[in-house]
Amino acid sequence: QVQLVESGGGVVQPGRSLRLSCVASGFTFSSHSMHWVRQAPGKGLEWVALISLDGGNKYYPDSVKGRFTISRDNSKNTLYLQMNSLRAEDTAIYYCARDLGFTYGRPFDLWGQGTMVTVSS
Amino acid sequence: DIQMTQSPSSLSASVGDRLTITCRATQSISTYLNWYQQKPGKAPKLLIYAASTLQGGVPSRFSGSGSGTDFTLTITSLQPEDFATYYCQQSYSTPYTFGQGTKLEIK
Repeated sequence: QVQLVESGGGVVQPGRSLRLSCVASGFTFSSHSMHWVRQAPGKGLEWVALISLDGGNKYYPDSVKGRFTISRDNSKNTLYLQMNSLRAEDTAIYYCARDLGFTYGRPFDLWGQGTMVTVSS
Repeated sequence: DIQMTQSPSSLSASVGDRLTITCRATQSISTYLNWYQQKPGKAPKLLIYAASTLQGGVPSRFSGSGSGTDFTLTITSLQPEDFATYYCQQSYSTPYTFGQGTKLEIK
């Protein structure tokens, strides 16, 4: 069925790195821009990264720019988030989400179940 | 960056009530406004996009309106499954930003 499944979360020390993956199935992955969104415990939603259809364009908020890198492998239907120099404030559930497209105003119409990242010594 | 402010932050309501949640942007975002519902322990779910278009499968008791800087989400005849947290989000320009959320609780 149509779904996104994240993996790669865990407990990591401050300053270390972690890579998250998101495997897409049931739809044409290469036809959609993709996002990462995070949610700190008990807090609201924060957009983390956007990658275009072919991976040629990437966007980040200032809070992660220079530390996080979004990428994709369309041959494997997989989205990635490389997170370096992790901080305690990066602790959150990380969701991957599908972009419905510019024609529709770019809402996030499909979400994964999320993977928890805890940054702690 | 465009800031999104929702009101109220929380509210209590009863089954069958009609309620409205508002969302305001710090600059015009045309109709690039989306609404999501999130239940505890679950991923957000898209309810409405482009300010007023109902996502497929979403009950018609949900509706959205607005353009520019002011938007509303209305739920008519609240059902038990509607008690959740609701977020607005602008997709006009990066960084895409969300409102702080409105937690809807049972009275």
